Amino acid sequence: SQTIHQWPATLVQPVGSPLSLECTVEGTSNPNLYWYRQAAGRGLQLLFYSVGIGQISSEVPQNLSASRPQDRQFILSSKKLLLSDSGFYLCAWSVGSGMGQFFGPGTRLTVL
Amino acid sequence: DAKTTQPNSMESNEEEPVHLPCNHSTISGTDYIHWYRQLPSQGPEYVIHGLTSNVNNRMASLAIAEDRKSSTLILHRATLRDAAVYYCILRANSGGYQKVTFGIGTKLQVIP
Repeated sequence: SQTIHQWPATLVQPVGSPLSLECTVEGTSNPNLYWYRQAAGRGLQLLFYSVGIGQISSEVPQNLSASRPQDRQFILSSKKLLLSDSGFYLCAWSVGSGMGQFFGPGTRLTVL
Repeated sequence: DAKTTQPNSMESNEEEPVHLPCNHSTISGTDYIHWYRQLPSQGPEYVIHGLTSNVNNRMASLAIAEDRKSSTLILHRATLRDAAVYYCILRANSGGYQKVTFGIGTKLQVIP
């Protein structure tokens, strides 16, 4: 069966510090991968998606970046965090057309 | 992307059926209707999806209007564990990457 892992579960970082969040998927090949952010009391905002290794598309301009060094690994990064980067970060995967997305447990990031 | 409209919140008594509505008047012929739910501090969980016909699974039923401009997620017997935010989204059957927009959803409260 397929599983998706995210770490860390929670993170507190000072403004201006770097960020690296990792997501890995097991049990499937060539998935589509996604990074979402959810601010408190808000819906999910799609940040990045990837249809293959090294293929990253950004949905919104921001100081975050994403990379996909391996088929089932998706990394979210920032060189300098802003206060507005605080939120709940979710990684998700999907395969095929019209099928569901499956989400990881999320990382709660607080930037102070 | 075609949008969906849901009530912000609903209440249900425990062990009673719940009907969660969703309007999607601009749905295209190739859009699947997906439902997810998100428990507090967790990532969204896939619930069910359908295209034209009504669908049933172990979690819920999905009733799709004949014109496909609306749908209803049916929880046959609400339990306290069903208290969550329910998202209705549309997903194009176009292969590969699937961009979706998660709105605010419907916050379901289950009253003991």
